[in-house]
Amino acid sequence: DAKTTQPNSMESNEEEPVHLPCNHSTISGTDYIHWYRQLPSQGPEYVIHGLTSNVNNRMASLAIAEDRKSSTLILHRATLRDAAVYYCILSGGSNYKLTFGKGTLLTVNP
Amino acid sequence: DGGITQSPKYLFRKEGQNVTLSCEQNLNHDAMYWYRQDPGQGLRLIYYSQIVNDFQKGDIAEGYSVSREKKESFPLTVTSAQKNPTAFYLCASSGRGSNQPQHFGDGTRLSIL
Repeated sequence: DAKTTQPNSMESNEEEPVHLPCNHSTISGTDYIHWYRQLPSQGPEYVIHGLTSNVNNRMASLAIAEDRKSSTLILHRATLRDAAVYYCILSGGSNYKLTFGKGTLLTVNP
Repeated sequence: DGGITQSPKYLFRKEGQNVTLSCEQNLNHDAMYWYRQDPGQGLRLIYYSQIVNDFQKGDIAEGYSVSREKKESFPLTVTSAQKNPTAFYLCASSGRGSNQPQHFGDGTRLSIL
């Protein structure tokens, strides 16, 4: 399975933008890039996913590098509710599997 | 509301006992998954099923068993062969295809008495 690399932790201030990076240098042409987040003692929550083009939804934006070897999850205005562990995951092929790493722990300061 | 229901939220097991965790979804999803999460770690895949009456082992299937007799149900049995069963167990479901997001339940926390 192709692997991703994320910083262990990041910190942000409330109402400021947050850019969460992810490296995936061994990504294959059919791998989708997924982002999930998880609050303590809860199941992960889907945030966004993309293949080649940048994607926007009500929660966040996903910026994908032209060579697809890295991506960035963008939270436009962080709130205290955005404090969570964020996972960047590659998914491809026919088995729908997601492989979760340790993710990035985002702390949002008031 | 559509979603995934896991029960119970907390479960205690005595040494040597089998225990079954329930997972039900009303999202009409074909695929369902079981993950295990240990403190401070990411999720690890135990079993997954892409269609009724079929399932595959994930990365840590030893000591676990599943069944998929109905589309909406995917129960997980933690057997006495699982030597370290204390963990947070998460069930998920998705539509078919690697671009489909997975929807997760709220988890079951299993502890050994």
